[in-house]
Amino acid sequence: GQNIDQPTEMTATEGAIVQINCTYQTSGFNGLFWYQQHAGEAPTFLSYNVLDGLEEKGRFSSFLSRSKGYSYLLLKELQMKDSASYLCAGTDSNYQLIWGAGTKLIIKP
Amino acid sequence: IAGITQAPTSQILAAGRRMTLRCTQDMRHNAMYWYRQDLGLGLRLIHYSNTAGTTGKGEVPDGYSVSRANTDDFPLTLASAVPSQTSVYFCASSEESGTYNEQFFGPGTRLTVL
Repeated sequence: GQNIDQPTEMTATEGAIVQINCTYQTSGFNGLFWYQQHAGEAPTFLSYNVLDGLEEKGRFSSFLSRSKGYSYLLLKELQMKDSASYLCAGTDSNYQLIWGAGTKLIIKP
Repeated sequence: IAGITQAPTSQILAAGRRMTLRCTQDMRHNAMYWYRQDLGLGLRLIHYSNTAGTTGKGEVPDGYSVSRANTDDFPLTLASAVPSQTSVYFCASSEESGTYNEQFFGPGTRLTVL
């Protein structure tokens, strides 16, 4: 079967670092995406990984291990505006996205 | 228009009624998608279109139909709405289908079926 698992909710402190994990099982694999979704808004693209390793983009980094079916999103220097849901999505053999339920990140001052 | 627009923003609908959700993009993207998002569940693909004139079924297509007469528009129709179709509906597009299909989302339509 196809499945994307990520924690339902996480809490972190402003200025700190947080790592959001995602494990995936898809019928094929053509890359893994992370999206950010603020409450009541549409998802917006954060990152894409297809090869193993870390992709850094400013305060956000994303890591992929294809052999372990595992990814994480790392957010540094947390700001209050980072309070949002973070969606992990893997691609299947038809290049369609299979989405996790999202991790709601709560930032406390 | 910039990006993707959806209409209406929200709608309350009586069960059994027919409803069309509209989606228009101005990015000349070939691929378009319809998702529904329910609390506690991930986005679920309803239908997709890899290019104008073609459509395909996603994970949860029953009760929904789509058409893709041109590049810009991708309407979603509920032929006879049921309460289980209460959800937030997102339309999305990507330049192409296939590897690295970063998807751009519209603002969503919040639909309540009573």
